[in-house]
Amino acid sequence: AQRVTQPEKLLSVFKGAPVELKCNYSYSGSPELFWYVQYSRQRLQLLLRHISRESIKGFTADLNKGETSFHLKKPFAQEEDSAMYYCALIPWGYNKLIFGAGTRLAVHP
Amino acid sequence: EAGVAQSPRYKIIEKRQSVAFWCNPISGHATLYWYQQILGQGPKLLIQFQNNGVVDDSQLPKDRFSAERLKGVDSTLKIQPAKLEDSAVYLCASSNHRESSRNTEAFFGQGTRLTVV
Repeated sequence: AQRVTQPEKLLSVFKGAPVELKCNYSYSGSPELFWYVQYSRQRLQLLLRHISRESIKGFTADLNKGETSFHLKKPFAQEEDSAMYYCALIPWGYNKLIFGAGTRLAVHP
Repeated sequence: EAGVAQSPRYKIIEKRQSVAFWCNPISGHATLYWYQQILGQGPKLLIQFQNNGVVDDSQLPKDRFSAERLKGVDSTLKIQPAKLEDSAVYLCASSNHRESSRNTEAFFGQGTRLTVV
């Protein structure tokens, strides 16, 4: 069965500190992986997708098939990064997102 | 562009009552999703439409939940009768999915927060 695991419910850091939000997946095929973000009082929106290999708002994520991970990283956290972050995958042959439980990132001044 | 519209934003009902949610996707988006998000969990897909046809409803509790997308545009999700465990945020999303791509972005609405008492 396909599953996405985000082991941390809350990650609390100070401004300027590095951030790593963990995401592990369980899927036997070739997944497409995403990070979605929800800022306070805003709707859920796409942050980045692994196939694009891009950096968005300073965030990057690398797919590690050996470790079945897709951790989200940023070298220097900003207060405006405080939000809920959801890792998600789309299984091969489908177009539905399977979400993890989410991690709340709190960046303190 | 206008985003995915959902109504109502909030709804409180008693158990065993009925409730309906409405969603208007982004114009031109063929794929529409309904997700259920229980507090502390990630969104879980309930049903996926491609135009007006159902693609996936494997996790829809069909004894009490129903959804339709007449004319392939807006959609309604109904719960009848509601149970306490149906308390959640119901999210509608749409995408301009093409068969050849799994990377189409899904755009989400603000959601409807349902409380069953």
